[in-house]
Amino acid sequence: SQKIEQNSEALNIQEGKTATLTCNYTNYSPAYLQWYRQDPGRGPVFLLLIRENEKEKRKERLKVTFDTTLKQSLFHITASQPADSATYLCALGSRRGSTLGRLYFGRGTQLTVWP
Amino acid sequence: GAGVSQSPSNKVTEKGKDVELRCDPISGHTALYWYRQSLGQGLEFLIYFQGNSAPDKSGLPSDRFSAERTGGSVSTLTIQRTQQEDSAVYLCASSLAGTALAKNIQYFGAGTRLSVL
Repeated sequence: SQKIEQNSEALNIQEGKTATLTCNYTNYSPAYLQWYRQDPGRGPVFLLLIRENEKEKRKERLKVTFDTTLKQSLFHITASQPADSATYLCALGSRRGSTLGRLYFGRGTQLTVWP
Repeated sequence: GAGVSQSPSNKVTEKGKDVELRCDPISGHTALYWYRQSLGQGLEFLIYFQGNSAPDKSGLPSDRFSAERTGGSVSTLTIQRTQQEDSAVYLCASSLAGTALAKNIQYFGAGTRLSVL
């Protein structure tokens, strides 16, 4: 079965620095990959989607890369702010008809940005 | 409503009782998903609906768990004879789903926190 690993359960960085979160996966070839943000007591919120044939996607201070050879995605937050503190989840998208639309989530990385 | 709505937001029950959790998806979203999230854990997939049918129910942990969806809208997750290990946050999500990847973005509710005493 597929396995998704996100780097260290917690990442602490100083405000203004770039946060880099890692998502590695095995036994799977996703059609796409998504990143979500989850705040305490809330459901996850979609941030970015990147397809298997794309290398990089950007949205404001966010950047996602996708390397299907390494089976890895990197999620970057530049000029980080305390408001970026949250848990970030990566999710792999199914390509199979019966499960089209289903996502396989990693356990998440808790990011803390301190002033 | 504008987003996915779940009720109740909190549920405390006694071991052995049955509970029903409700999810109102975003209007027009054909796909609906149930997940379970235990403290400090990731999202555990339970079941996926496309319309009123469930092509993937592989994540239901036991036959005490069941779910239905009616009218292509509201869904109910039922847990019978609850056990303490059922305590978790139950999240519902909906999406347009389909062949266009952008349609597979999932929109989540705030969840129902279930505590089994």
